[in-house]
Amino acid sequence: DTVLTQSPALAVSPGERVTISCRASESVSTLMHWYQQKPGQQPKLLIYKASNLESGVPARFSASGSGTDFTFTIDPVEADDIATYYCHQSWNSNTFGAGTKLELK
Amino acid sequence: EVQLVESGGGLVQPGRSMKLSCAAAGFTFSSFYMAWVRQAPTKGLEWVASISTGGGNTYYRDSVKGRFTISRDNAKSILYLQMDSLRSEDTASFYCARWYNYFDYWGQGVMVTVSS
Repeated sequence: DTVLTQSPALAVSPGERVTISCRASESVSTLMHWYQQKPGQQPKLLIYKASNLESGVPARFSASGSGTDFTFTIDPVEADDIATYYCHQSWNSNTFGAGTKLELK
Repeated sequence: EVQLVESGGGLVQPGRSMKLSCAAAGFTFSSFYMAWVRQAPTKGLEWVASISTGGGNTYYRDSVKGRFTISRDNAKSILYLQMDSLRSEDTASFYCARWYNYFDYWGQGVMVTVSS
């Protein structure tokens, strides 16, 4: 299985820029996607195919990368962005990262 | 508006069976691959199974192969997950999701608890 390693929990303040990393154990081309999950809710797609913003998602969210190294950025962070963020690869079956929990400072 | 509504969860004893359903609306169900993704309590997301548009091709994670069966009824726009020989480690919220190389729409999830 392709293992995805995400950066650990991050503490941020509203207005800051935050970057979350996701490293794949093997190349996944650009088939990397990012989701937001708030407590008690289902995941929500934010970014697909490495850098494409899903319709209706604010432009504060962005992502980049290819191969094995990917980054996800929120700039600026808003209080409503406090959630867990997951990366997901679909190049080799489907696997998810362990999630990065974004917390308020 | 795309809607995915899961049902059929609950408490089940180890070794027993349970069948989940996911009613889809707001899109042409028969044109999309579909999938089930689960999340154990306080844990991350884990893909379980996927099915092609016509149902002829199915894919499973290793830990559920031979125990779970994904299927669909395109006439009724319903996705199913038949789960047999359930184990305590199958305890999770199960989400139905539309698949398009990524999971673009998700249901609200249904909880399955495997315990004696």
